[in-house]
Amino acid sequence: AQSVTQLDSQVPVFEEAPVELRCNYSSSVSVYLFWYVQYPNQGLQLLLKYLSGSTLVESINGFEAEFNKSQTSFHLRKPSVHISDTAEYFCAVNAGGTSYGKLTFGQGTILTVHP
Amino acid sequence: GAGVSQSPSNKVTEKGKDVELRCDPISGHTALYWYRQSLGQGLEFLIYFQGNSAPDKSGLPSDRFSAERTGGSVSTLTIQRTQQEDSAVYLCASSLARGPAGTDTQYFGPGTRLTVL
Repeated sequence: AQSVTQLDSQVPVFEEAPVELRCNYSSSVSVYLFWYVQYPNQGLQLLLKYLSGSTLVESINGFEAEFNKSQTSFHLRKPSVHISDTAEYFCAVNAGGTSYGKLTFGQGTILTVHP
Repeated sequence: GAGVSQSPSNKVTEKGKDVELRCDPISGHTALYWYRQSLGQGLEFLIYFQGNSAPDKSGLPSDRFSAERTGGSVSTLTIQRTQQEDSAVYLCASSLARGPAGTDTQYFGPGTRLTVL
């Protein structure tokens, strides 16, 4: 079985400051890793994902996440946040194989960007 | 193109009643998923359909929960004899189901907010 821990339930930050949202996972098998974002009054949408290859993955809006196998982490970072980044962010894993369809989510981190 | 749609957007029911929640996946997506989002439990997997294969029901919390997918498209999640702890947002997602297992991007609908009084 897999589990995901998002270490911070809420992260307040000022506009243009850097931010890191932490995610650790536990699994006995190799996993694929995802960050989903839920903007206020909107549905969940994919931000970025790690499948294989380069351990650093980037999104189109400036977020990046680095897969660290030894630390079983997949932290999300952005060097300079905007007001529009205010949302809830979910880290998720999928072990593939017989768990093909099952995304296991963390509890979510609410990022609030203040002017 | 159109995204995943769900209906109703909100449902208020009385304890003990049955409810049906509907999901229309993105056209051409062969995989369909149901999740539940609640304050106490976060986002939980419920059930997964892939083509004509037997569904993965491992996340259904009790036998009061069931789901069907007719004609490989629309899905209905049914909750019988609803309880107050069933109150949550029920999310549906779909994906193309191509490539290695587990690599899919799942596209989520807006959800159905269920309130059991």
